[in-house]
Amino acid sequence: AQSVTQPDIHITVSEGASLELRCNYSYGATPYLFWYVQSPGQGLQLLLKYFSGDTLVQGIKGFEAEFKRSQSSFNLRKPSVHWSDAAEYFCAVGAGGGADGLTFGKGTHLIIQP
Amino acid sequence: EAQVTQNPRYLITVTGKKLTVTCSQNMNHEYMSWYRQDPGLGLRQIYYSMNVEVTDKGDVPEGYKVSRKEKRNFPLILESPSPNQTSLYFCASSQPGDRVTEAFFGQGTRLTVV
Repeated sequence: AQSVTQPDIHITVSEGASLELRCNYSYGATPYLFWYVQSPGQGLQLLLKYFSGDTLVQGIKGFEAEFKRSQSSFNLRKPSVHWSDAAEYFCAVGAGGGADGLTFGKGTHLIIQP
Repeated sequence: EAQVTQNPRYLITVTGKKLTVTCSQNMNHEYMSWYRQDPGLGLRQIYYSMNVEVTDKGDVPEGYKVSRKEKRNFPLILESPSPNQTSLYFCASSQPGDRVTEAFFGQGTRLTVV
């Protein structure tokens, strides 16, 4: 069975500092990997996705993620965070990438300090 | 505008009173799914549908029913709600294909069962 682990429940970062959110997955074949962001009171918005090809993927809002098969990881990064990045971040893995088979991590709550 | 619409956004009900949360998408997607989000547990899939009249259980289907009579609609039914079904619910849709597809999420329905 597929699974996703986000080791950090909460992360606090100063505005302007760099960010890395960790995600480890377990999946038998080549995974479809996603990062979603959920702002307070909002639904989930896709930041980026990976299936194949270049292991460094660029997303919206200045985010990027790197797929490392040897480490079963798909960590999310941003070089300089803004106060508006404060949100809940979810990593997800799926067999087909569609709504039928996504498994989510438990989320990482990002707090931005002024 | 491509979107997934859930109604209502907020609902307070009493134990045992049947309720339906509606979900509609305007993207002609084949896949639709329901998730519940609980603190510390992330999103867990309740039911999904791969097409009209085709539905299947997700990870936490107990106490829920769904139907898919039309492609655009995928209502979630709680025949006899209980307090442990108090949660934030999300509907999602996507279109299967050769490449990774994005799941589009509704804004969420916050349900409280007293």
